[in-house]
Amino acid sequence: DGGITQSPKYLFRKEGQNVTLSCEQNLNHDAMYWYRQDPGQGLRLIYYSQIVNDFQKGDIAEGYSVSREKKESFPLTVTSAQKNPTAFYLCASSIWGVSPLHFGNGTRLTVT
Amino acid sequence: DAKTTQPPSMDCAEGRAANLPCNHSTISGNEYVYWYRQIHSQGPQYIIHGLKNNETNEMASLIITEDRKSSTLILPHATLRDTAVYYCIVSDNYGQNFVFGPGTRLSVLP
Repeated sequence: DGGITQSPKYLFRKEGQNVTLSCEQNLNHDAMYWYRQDPGQGLRLIYYSQIVNDFQKGDIAEGYSVSREKKESFPLTVTSAQKNPTAFYLCASSIWGVSPLHFGNGTRLTVT
Repeated sequence: DAKTTQPPSMDCAEGRAANLPCNHSTISGNEYVYWYRQIHSQGPQYIIHGLKNNETNEMASLIITEDRKSSTLILPHATLRDTAVYYCIVSDNYGQNFVFGPGTRLSVLP
């Protein structure tokens, strides 16, 4: 079955460490996205990529980095510069210009 | 900021229709109305979308007013598994322009 896989489901890190969240899709979608969700709130866009080797900052890109070396993969690195990294992170993909977005089931990151 | 306004919460009796409203008074001519839902600790799930005509699929119906300034998502026979947060979004189909506000928390009661 086609879909988006995010791993791991839960991730724990110590403050000051970088951590990379995985996102893989087999839907053959060109565009991929990373969102952050805090308790009781909506989703906020971190980064998006329309095509391989290209990506753009979203609304809250500070403290995050991404790469898009393969069409299927769009990993997100939460760096030590991100002041409040504890959150639920969601990856999505779509055909560019033709939504809807398809979401993975998220990674819950806890930094202590 | 979200371009839509939704009530923060609603209740619905199991087996009854759930009618979720959404106001989008500043919608542009090329923007669609999308509905997603999110069950706790999962990714949002696409439900339905439309431009100006009413739409129906196996999950729900979408009713858009003639002036397109508001819409209603209808779940015809709500079940306990429909308990979720429902998001109404207006977008021109480009993913980076999807803005997910706080949504409506629907509780389906037995």
